[in-house]
Amino acid sequence: ETGVTQTPRHLVMGMTNKKSLKCEQHLGHNAMYWYKQSAKKPLELMFVYNFKEQTENNSVPSRFSPECPNSSHLFLHLHTLQPEDSALYLCASSQEFTGTSTDTQYFGPGTRLTVL
Amino acid sequence: GNSVTQMEGPVTLSEEAFLTINCTYTATGYPSLFWYVQYPGEGLQLLLKATKADDKGSNKGFEATYRKETTSFHLEKGSVQVSDSAVYFCALVGAEAGGFKTIFGAGTRLFVKA
Repeated sequence: ETGVTQTPRHLVMGMTNKKSLKCEQHLGHNAMYWYKQSAKKPLELMFVYNFKEQTENNSVPSRFSPECPNSSHLFLHLHTLQPEDSALYLCASSQEFTGTSTDTQYFGPGTRLTVL
Repeated sequence: GNSVTQMEGPVTLSEEAFLTINCTYTATGYPSLFWYVQYPGEGLQLLLKATKADDKGSNKGFEATYRKETTSFHLEKGSVQVSDSAVYFCALVGAEAGGFKTIFGAGTRLFVKA
């Protein structure tokens, strides 16, 4: 059991839809992450929140909008997506971003997103 | 900047075969090294880690030794099982501007045949 949950597990949406992905961690961590995992591409870090403050935004298009209302919850709001945005979106948490050199990340099971 | 390079897959083995997945890294200072595993339909989970040179991480029959002289952290298992079929990611946590950050390799897919 990872302690990090994600909903929904699967999502199909049209390019004009607006949807949100939710992540919740029960580990008492202070850092939360969104990653994009596409077939045959390396894991892409999208956003990092540390103590509820966004500390990393790796040139992600504005059609992806993160929200972190508290250190246990992380959302990814989606609007006017493109078919190439279809991927597995993984949420992770760790004790603290850039905290220590031994920091382990704990991942949720991911949301499989398909954009039609 | 820091980087991780791991062997391309897929790797296909028969059950009980010996497994090696190569991983090398580039980093300033003294990073910590990790192997994560992703089983089908799941997120990544930590498999093992080593935090200093010559340390050996081990878990579930898998082992990896932190080799500073060759900047490597190769994953090995003496006898793989069908249930080991998954994607394996090498990663490091190392010092960069702003603090310590995690860098993942591209992943190596392992298929084990019965």
